Amino acid sequence: KAGVTQTPRYLIKTRGQQVTLSCSPISGHRSVSWYQQTPGQGLQFLFEYFSETQRNKGNFPGRFSGRQFSNSRSEMNVSTLELGDSALYLCASSLQGGFDEQYFGPGTRLTVT
Amino acid sequence: GENVEQHPSTLSVQEGDSAVIKCTYSDSASNYFPWYKQELGKRPQLIIDIRSNVGEKKDQRIAVTLNKTAKHFSLHITETQPEDSAVYFCAASLGGTSYGKLTFGQGTILTVHP
Repeated sequence: KAGVTQTPRYLIKTRGQQVTLSCSPISGHRSVSWYQQTPGQGLQFLFEYFSETQRNKGNFPGRFSGRQFSNSRSEMNVSTLELGDSALYLCASSLQGGFDEQYFGPGTRLTVT
Repeated sequence: GENVEQHPSTLSVQEGDSAVIKCTYSDSASNYFPWYKQELGKRPQLIIDIRSNVGEKKDQRIAVTLNKTAKHFSLHITETQPEDSAVYFCAASLGGTSYGKLTFGQGTILTVHP
């Protein structure tokens, strides 16, 4: 079974720009969670989507948004990029969330200059 | 919201020794506690998890214990090997009502010296 994939793997953007990251979950998984990983803050939950609906959201500003498509693929968007948005963005898929194991993708390394 | 504290931040052991990493959580409603291992440049991978209705769980050289009253849980690795060197993260969630949200500890860098 193919694992979770994320595109692109690396991205360099300028302050003020916007960016869209993509996540393809394991086949059959309907829940996709997004996390931001930084050396200072560790792994922080952004939001979760299940059957095209956002079910949960972390404490991030409204510049961070996401969506999920009918095939469970998910995208996250960050508008008006700030230097502090530089991070590794990880998505994780699971069957339905809850107690189900979350399988992480390789991440997208975003650098904002 | 939930807060997870993890200690120590770094841990150095000799091959064959045991390693223990401890976490405390703040939300008494949390009922699912997974542990992830992240090797350098790689994605986090689940190594063991425990639900709140269980006090201890073992899988070969790895074990996790949970004390619900004290709101803390620990990872125990016995007979450590150099390939155990990685960053280990504990996490807590509300399980069935978590809707995909894991709250992670800050991580422990484990180094196993041959």
